[in-house]
Amino acid sequence: DIVMTQSHKFMSTSIGDRVSITCKASQDVSTAVAWYQQKPGQSPNLLIYSASYRYTGVPDRFTGSGSGTDFTFTISSVQAEDLAVYYCQQHYSTPWTFGGGTKLEIK
Amino acid sequence: QIQLVQSGPELKKPGETVKISCKASGYTFTNYGMNWVKQAPGKGLKWMGWINTYTGEPTYADDFKGRFAFSLETSASTAYLQINNLKNEDTATYFCARTGVTRAMDYWGQGTSVTVSS
Repeated sequence: DIVMTQSHKFMSTSIGDRVSITCKASQDVSTAVAWYQQKPGQSPNLLIYSASYRYTGVPDRFTGSGSGTDFTFTISSVQAEDLAVYYCQQHYSTPWTFGGGTKLEIK
Repeated sequence: QIQLVQSGPELKKPGETVKISCKASGYTFTNYGMNWVKQAPGKGLKWMGWINTYTGEPTYADDFKGRFAFSLETSASTAYLQINNLKNEDTATYFCARTGVTRAMDYWGQGTSVTVSS
């Protein structure tokens, strides 16, 4: 199985800051990575698919990049409503696997 | 609009069976696969597998082979997750999620909480 590793379980940031979350795949997954946002008590929401494509209706402050084994999710200017846990997931081969999640905390 | 609406919370005893439903609306049910994802309390997301809604063929992740069963009622645009012989470690929220044309999971149900306790 492909292991997705998010090295930071927590990240603390301030409103208006730029923040980047990284995700590393245990093998080459091309660009088949998605990013999800899960707010407290809610279902996950798809933000980015195929590493860098913003899903419909997702604000342009959210971007994704990377290919192969190293991926980055960036929020260009953090808003209060971005308080959430962010997960990467590979959709290259089954079993689909998720990273452990990065909880974004607002200072 | 596209919606996945799941059945309500369940409280079960060890050894019992639970069946969770996920009713889809707003799109052609058989055109998109349906995934099931487990989230234990305070933990991350774990993909359980998916069911091909056109053929009915299920695929299970290794940790979910044996006691878990995916099924469909296509006429009602509904997918089901059944867990047999429940164990304490099955306590979790279970989500259904559609596989979109992007191959990512683009629509999610609201989640069904299953608590297993004697």
